Amino acid sequence: EPEVTQTPSHQVTQMGQEVILRCVPISNHLYFYWYRQILGQKVEFLVSFYNNEISEKSEIFDDQFSVERPDGSNFTLKIRSTKLEDSAMYFCASSEGRGISGETQYFGPGTRLLVL
Amino acid sequence: AQRVTQPEKLLSVFKGAPVELKCNYSYSGSPELFWYVQYSRQRLQLLLRHISRESIKGFTADLNKGETSFHLKKPFAQEEDSAMYYCALRSFSGGYNKLIFGAGTRLAVHP
Repeated sequence: EPEVTQTPSHQVTQMGQEVILRCVPISNHLYFYWYRQILGQKVEFLVSFYNNEISEKSEIFDDQFSVERPDGSNFTLKIRSTKLEDSAMYFCASSEGRGISGETQYFGPGTRLLVL
Repeated sequence: AQRVTQPEKLLSVFKGAPVELKCNYSYSGSPELFWYVQYSRQRLQLLLRHISRESIKGFTADLNKGETSFHLKKPFAQEEDSAMYYCALRSFSGGYNKLIFGAGTRLAVHP
């Protein structure tokens, strides 16, 4: 069964550094998402992406964040200048469509980001 | 405001006991609700969705619009049910959708 994959599984970085988190969505899916979960807190929506553009973003997704689909398979989340509070588990998800009731979002295993 | 509330952080039961994981939501439109499960060291995976009215691994959940609830139930818990359970609401705004998650409930089933 196809799965969403994410790399790396863990990343440690210094405050102020740029990080790129990578995701490979399920191949026939058209809608892509990033969520994050700060330790002990809820899974929070960051951004959704379709047709090479952001379709919705949360207030968390400020100018320090960007997303890109650089080729036909990868979907990346870049944090330009990391802050301590960016430390979290970042989940990528994808779905086949957006409008069908009950549309399922399939999640990757997550990347645990630690900012020192 | 769109919100999902799971009031219990931890639910601890013995094997064979009934389980009910509570979920309440707040949403102005017609809600679509899901339960996701995360077993130890695994990814979030869909357990069930209200629109399918299905039973997966013995779990069921009924949407109660009057009480704005979507509680997850299983009559006889098994040890392999031990996991983190997240209730999620699909917010369908502007033609695109995102999931709004509750804080999660850890279910621990003891032998």
